[in-house]
Amino acid sequence: DIQMTQSPPSLSASLGDKVTITCQTSQNINKYIAWYQQKPGKAPRLLIGFTSRLVSGIPSRFSGSGSGRDYSFSISNVESEDIASYYCLQYDNSPYTFGAGTKLELK
Amino acid sequence: QVQLKESGPGLVQPSQTLSLTCTVSGFSLTSYHVHWVRQPPGKGLEWMGVMWSDGDTSYNSALKSRLSISRDTSKSQVFLKMSSLQTEDTATYYCARESGAPFDYWGQGVMVTVSS
Repeated sequence: DIQMTQSPPSLSASLGDKVTITCQTSQNINKYIAWYQQKPGKAPRLLIGFTSRLVSGIPSRFSGSGSGRDYSFSISNVESEDIASYYCLQYDNSPYTFGAGTKLELK
Repeated sequence: QVQLKESGPGLVQPSQTLSLTCTVSGFSLTSYHVHWVRQPPGKGLEWMGVMWSDGDTSYNSALKSRLSISRDTSKSQVFLKMSSLQTEDTATYYCARESGAPFDYWGQGVMVTVSS
């Protein structure tokens, strides 16, 4: 099974900051990584697929990049509505695997 | 519009079997994959398994011995059965659709508590 190492576990940011979350995989996943946002009590929401493809309706301040085993997700100009937990998921191979998550808080 | 809805018991006794149903609308199970994902209270997401559109299944390695996913295409339903439940299986269970990138649509989730 492919292991996902997501960091940091938590992040504190001020409004307007840029934040970056990384996921490192145990083997090449050929860019098949997705990123999700989850707010308390809600189902996760897909933000980005295939490393950098922004889902329709998702603001352009969200972005993703990477290749091979190393991937990153960024939010530029953090807004209050971005306070949530974020998860990466590899879907290159079954079984799919999630990262452990990153909780974004306001400083 | 696309919808998924999980249903099942909110409380299951230890060692018993959990049965959940995911009822979908707005798409066909023969055209899209449907996954199960769970989340223990206060913890992260765990991928459990998938009913591929062709009727095949794949499972989380750690759950494989206890987990079974099946479907009834005529009723647009996907079923999850997991045996030998323990307290650590207490979680919110979600079904979600895969279309290109995984999990473009999710159900609302169903909270399952394992307790005597």
